[in-house]
Amino acid sequence: SSELTQDPAVSVALGQTVSITCQGDSLRTYYANWYQQKPGQAPVLVMYGQNKRPSGIPDRFSGSSSGDTASLTITGAQAEHEADYYCNSRDSSGNHWVFGGGTKLTVL
Amino acid sequence: EVQLAESGGGLVKPGGSLRLSCAASGFTFSSYTMNWVRQAPGKGLEWVSSISSSTSYIYYADSLKGRITISRDPAKNSLYLQMNSLKAEDTAVYYCARENTEPARSWYFDLWGRGTLVTVSS
Repeated sequence: SSELTQDPAVSVALGQTVSITCQGDSLRTYYANWYQQKPGQAPVLVMYGQNKRPSGIPDRFSGSSSGDTASLTITGAQAEHEADYYCNSRDSSGNHWVFGGGTKLTVL
Repeated sequence: EVQLAESGGGLVKPGGSLRLSCAASGFTFSSYTMNWVRQAPGKGLEWVSSISSSTSYIYYADSLKGRITISRDPAKNSLYLQMNSLKAEDTAVYYCARENTEPARSWYFDLWGRGTLVTVSS
């Protein structure tokens, strides 16, 4: 298996731009996906594949990747974006899945 | 409405067994690979198991292999997770998640249930 590494916590001032990163060897082969999870709720997919947004996810969410690192960027962060964000991808074997440890985003 | 609904969680003693179910509706269940993902209290997400649409491919997380069995019933549009020899560290919310693969070379979980809580305690 492999691992994905995320910063445990990130903060951003209201209305500013913030990027959350995810690093791991599997990202050299597989795209990273990003999920938003608010307290007491199930995860929600916000970015997948080659930086694609699911229907209903606003374009203030964007993604990028380079080498073994993927990033989720929120442009103009709002209070409702305060949540835990998890990256995931297939692992290096291609048969299993790995999740990052999650990043708690605080909007100040 | 497209949705997944888990059930079957509850309180079980260490060493006990539990069978979780996930009912799918609003989409062609038989066309999708399905997964179980769990989340221990206050912790991150952990992939548990996956089963392909045809059941030809079944995979388990190394940490749980040998104690769990994933299965599906296309006639009932349902996914199952049989868990045996449960330990305190298996305490978690268990989510079922649909795996999507469009466009090509993309794999992601696009639909999640609300989860069912499994508590292993004496």
